[in-house]
Amino acid sequence: DIQMTQSPSSVSASVGDRVTITCRASQGISSWLAWYQQKPGKAPKLLISTASSLQSGVPSRFSGSGSGTDFTLTISSLQPEDFAAYYCQQVNSFPLTFGQGTKVEIK
Amino acid sequence: EVQLEESGGGLVQPGGSLRLSCAASGFTFSSYEMNWVRQAPGKGLEWVSYISTSGSTIYYADSVKGRFTISRDNAKNSLYLQMNSLRAEDTAVYYCVRDRRRCTSTSCYSAFDYWGQGTLITVSS
Repeated sequence: DIQMTQSPSSVSASVGDRVTITCRASQGISSWLAWYQQKPGKAPKLLISTASSLQSGVPSRFSGSGSGTDFTLTISSLQPEDFAAYYCQQVNSFPLTFGQGTKVEIK
Repeated sequence: EVQLEESGGGLVQPGGSLRLSCAASGFTFSSYEMNWVRQAPGKGLEWVSYISTSGSTIYYADSVKGRFTISRDNAKNSLYLQMNSLRAEDTAVYYCVRDRRRCTSTSCYSAFDYWGQGTLITVSS
């Protein structure tokens, strides 16, 4: 199975800050990676597919990059509504494993 | 509007069984692969199972293999998860998830683009 490791586990940042979350795969997964946002008490929401493809309706302050084993999700200018947990997921090889999540807290 | 509505959750004793259902609407259900994903209280997301459009291809997480069975009824626009031999560690919110699965010339990849609101399963005596 492919293990997905996110860092940091949590981050506290101010409105307007640039936030970067890292996801590392235990083996190469090309660009087969998705990012999800989950707000408390809600279902996850797909933000990015195939490592860098922003989903329709997702603000452009979100971006994804990387290939192989190392990936990043960047929020260019943090907004209050971005308080949430973020998960990466490798989407090619079953089982489709998730990272453990990163909680973004607003200072 | 795409909607996925889970039902069937509740409290069950260890060793018991439950059947989850997911009613899909707002899209051509038979054209999409589907998944179940769960989330234990205060924990992260765990993929549980996948079913192809026709039901001919199925995958399970090792943690549920041999105990859970995924199925679908395209005529009823419904997805199911039969859960047997339930354990305390199966306690979680279970999400029905649409898979916008695509294939290139060399690989296929998923994107979980729509999620239900989730249904809570509590396994406890």
